[in-house]
Amino acid sequence: GAVVSQHPSRVICKSGTSVKIECRSLDFQATTMFWYRQFPKQSLMLMATSNEGSKATYEQGVEKDKFLINHASLTLSTLTVTSAHPEDSSFYICSARDRANQPQHFGDGTRLSIL
Amino acid sequence: SQQGEEDPQALSIQEGENATMNCSYKTSINNLQWYRQNSGRGLVHLILIRSNEREKHSGRLRVTLDTSKKSSSLLITASRAADTASYFCATDVLDMRFGAGTRLTVKP
Repeated sequence: GAVVSQHPSRVICKSGTSVKIECRSLDFQATTMFWYRQFPKQSLMLMATSNEGSKATYEQGVEKDKFLINHASLTLSTLTVTSAHPEDSSFYICSARDRANQPQHFGDGTRLSIL
Repeated sequence: SQQGEEDPQALSIQEGENATMNCSYKTSINNLQWYRQNSGRGLVHLILIRSNEREKHSGRLRVTLDTSKKSSSLLITASRAADTASYFCATDVLDMRFGAGTRLTVKP
């Protein structure tokens, strides 16, 4: 089946650090990628949707200058958490699909801990 | 929002029993999808049912869709401890949003 690779799986860093998370589709072209954030025992919160070669569409309340998304190719999207603070600590998950009305394929998530 | 809302929020059963969880949504859809999430992992796609389908099977999974009631159900038969996870439904229409999910616990 389709595989999405997300790296790193875990990051622990100091407050003020910028952290980049990569999401790669390994065996299909990801026209659209999604970035989610999940707090413990809660559902996934959609942060932004990105289409290859276009600017990401951010959900209301998500700071685009804080969470920089780049989807420069059909197989790679990155999320950069800039100047991360403890409140940014969370589980970040990416997903990708090749076209509309098709299932999403998820990465295994990145657990970000800001000290 | 096109998110689905799952019910119940939590379900605890014994191994071997069947587990049924439901999903309701608000607007017209092209398809509805069920996903599973094991703790600390990403979501795994289980099954997609299209709006012109009423029932679909995949192994021990049975999904029904009632577009008149805007609802779907996921039945897991002969449950196993490994089925312990959170289950989410999501609809299509441009983006994918998820409800709170159903946390299923299967006791050995």
